[in-house]
Amino acid sequence: GEQVEQRPPHLSVREGDSAVITCTYTDPNSYYFFWYKQEPGASLQLLMKVFSSTEINEGQGFTVLLNKKDKRLSLNLTAAHPGDSAAYFCAVSAGTGNYKYVFGAGTRLKVIA
Amino acid sequence: EAAVTQSPRNKVAVTGGKVTLSCNQTNNHNNMYWYRQDTGHGLRLIHYSYGAGSTEKGDIPDGYKASRPSQENFSLILELATPSQTSVYFCASGDRTANTEVFFGKGTRLTVV
Repeated sequence: GEQVEQRPPHLSVREGDSAVITCTYTDPNSYYFFWYKQEPGASLQLLMKVFSSTEINEGQGFTVLLNKKDKRLSLNLTAAHPGDSAAYFCAVSAGTGNYKYVFGAGTRLKVIA
Repeated sequence: EAAVTQSPRNKVAVTGGKVTLSCNQTNNHNNMYWYRQDTGHGLRLIHYSYGAGSTEKGDIPDGYKASRPSQENFSLILELATPSQTSVYFCASGDRTANTEVFFGKGTRLTVV
């Protein structure tokens, strides 16, 4: 089945620095990709979803890149601030009638003021 | 707004006892999921359901049962709880289309002593 590897497991950056989190997956039939943010003690909230190959999606202060050729998904926080301190999880869905979502192990990001 | 409610939020159970975790969603979603979250493992799928009356085994179903008596409710049952089942459990719901995200409850922290 699908395997999702997320790196790094822990990341500490200074305020204003960039932070990059990467997920690689194995199933070439995976079709839908998601990033979730989990603040301490809270549930997971959707940050961004991306579907098309080699797609770049931009949100408030972050960019998501999907490269289906390399089976790689990345989240780039362009100028981190303390409010970005949280755990981030990528999730992959194969679609095609199978609506299981496989999650990466998570990245614990700490932004130091 | 999508709403997934879990109860209880915290539970202490004794080894060998029966535990039932409940989940209710008001999103009218067909799919519901139970995950457990452990440090270093991210979220792992225990059971899921495509609709009332259906349950499917996820990636780590051993020691767990699930019940979906209605569209809105999905329960996770530990017939004989063990300390290894100490974890945070998340329920989620999602639409039948794979390009939509899942919505999570706030989690249940279960401690088996």
